[in-house]
Amino acid sequence: DAGVTQSPTHLIKTRGQQVTLRCSPISGHKSVSWYQQVLGQGPQFIFQYYEKEERGRGNFPDRFSARQFPNYSSELNVNALLLGDSALYLCASSQGTLYQETQYFGPGTRLLVL
Amino acid sequence: DQQVKQNSPSLSVQEGRISILNCDYTNSMFDYFLWYKKYPAEGPTFLISISSIKDKNEDGRFTVFLNKSAKHLSLHIVPSQPGDSAVYFCALYQGAQKLVFGQGTRLTINP
Repeated sequence: DAGVTQSPTHLIKTRGQQVTLRCSPISGHKSVSWYQQVLGQGPQFIFQYYEKEERGRGNFPDRFSARQFPNYSSELNVNALLLGDSALYLCASSQGTLYQETQYFGPGTRLLVL
Repeated sequence: DQQVKQNSPSLSVQEGRISILNCDYTNSMFDYFLWYKKYPAEGPTFLISISSIKDKNEDGRFTVFLNKSAKHLSLHIVPSQPGDSAVYFCALYQGAQKLVFGQGTRLTINP
């Protein structure tokens, strides 16, 4: 079975641009979460979506937005990119919103902002 | 404020010996704890978890210990193998699905 997939794998943008990252969850999983991992740190929670609704949001500015589609895939959008947005963006899926479900991560999209 | 701390950025262990990775947390409301392993160019891979109602959970070579009074958990790997060389993250659930991660410990297993 395919795991969580993310595209693109790498991306280079310049300051002020906008970027869209994509995630396909494991088949049967209805919940998708997004995390940002900067170099030398652990992943930080950005958003969680379940059944197309936002169920959780981390401490990130409004430049960050996301959505989930009827097939449970998801997109993360970041507007007005800053140098500090350079990071590995991870998508994780789980079956639902039951407390303490294991989240399974994709390989990530590495974003470099110049 | 760092709610989850892994104070050792790196750890080097000889093959066949025990690896012990540590994690401290500040909020006693956390009640479910996980360890993830991460290789370069891959996403974190789930290893093992433990609920606060337990103090130990084993899965093959991996054992997680939880000391609630000290707000401390540890991951023991025995015997350590070269393929265990990776970055290890402890993670705690805050809310239904929000994972809070430590900074990670880079484990190197030497032959």
